[in-house]
Amino acid sequence: NAGVTQTPKFQVLKTGQSMTLQCAQDMNHNSMYWYRQDPGMGLRLIYYSASEGTTDKGEVPNGYNVSRLNKREFSLRLESAAPSQTSVYFCASRQGLDYGYTFGSGTRLTVV
Amino acid sequence: DAKTTQPNSMESNEEEPVHLPCNHSTISGTDYIHWYRQLPSQGPEYVIHGLTSNVNNRMASLAIAEDRKSSTLILHRATLRDAAVYYCIPAAGNMLTFGGGTRLMVKP
Repeated sequence: NAGVTQTPKFQVLKTGQSMTLQCAQDMNHNSMYWYRQDPGMGLRLIYYSASEGTTDKGEVPNGYNVSRLNKREFSLRLESAAPSQTSVYFCASRQGLDYGYTFGSGTRLTVV
Repeated sequence: DAKTTQPNSMESNEEEPVHLPCNHSTISGTDYIHWYRQLPSQGPEYVIHGLTSNVNNRMASLAIAEDRKSSTLILHRATLRDAAVYYCIPAAGNMLTFGGGTRLMVKP
């Protein structure tokens, strides 16, 4: 049982480049989330999808877009990367509001 | 969001119980109390969560005060693998707000 799988694990981008971070869960969870964690800081919510077919903004959505491709997959896209988006990105999922979250191992993104 | 207060750091000896406190005096009636831990260079790991009653699972126990303004995470026998930052997070909706947490150090 893999849980939440994120790809890639590491990425270096130049300013202005675009990329998509992939996330997949195999636990049949309804809700999926994207967080970012800056050095020495707590995680902050970027976007979430409470159920298949819905997406909503979190605390820090600017500069990002998301797609809930199906129940398993939730991707995060940076259209024009900026150095301020250098961070570790975590995907998470859970069955619903009454449940705990399962996090992936993260994507470490550096924008130069 | 409920404001939480946790000790910045705590130390424990291996094989001894650890009680990690959390104050959340502004918690709302619908907030679950979540606990997560994060090891260096890893994603947060779910530990336990509860609403009103004390909760037990294979990792830990969660003791919730009767007025819900505080809670305590109990690790029954600390191991070196339990050294991590522990986050107490009251939450009802779709966002976890991570504070500074408690850095637990475990001495052999």
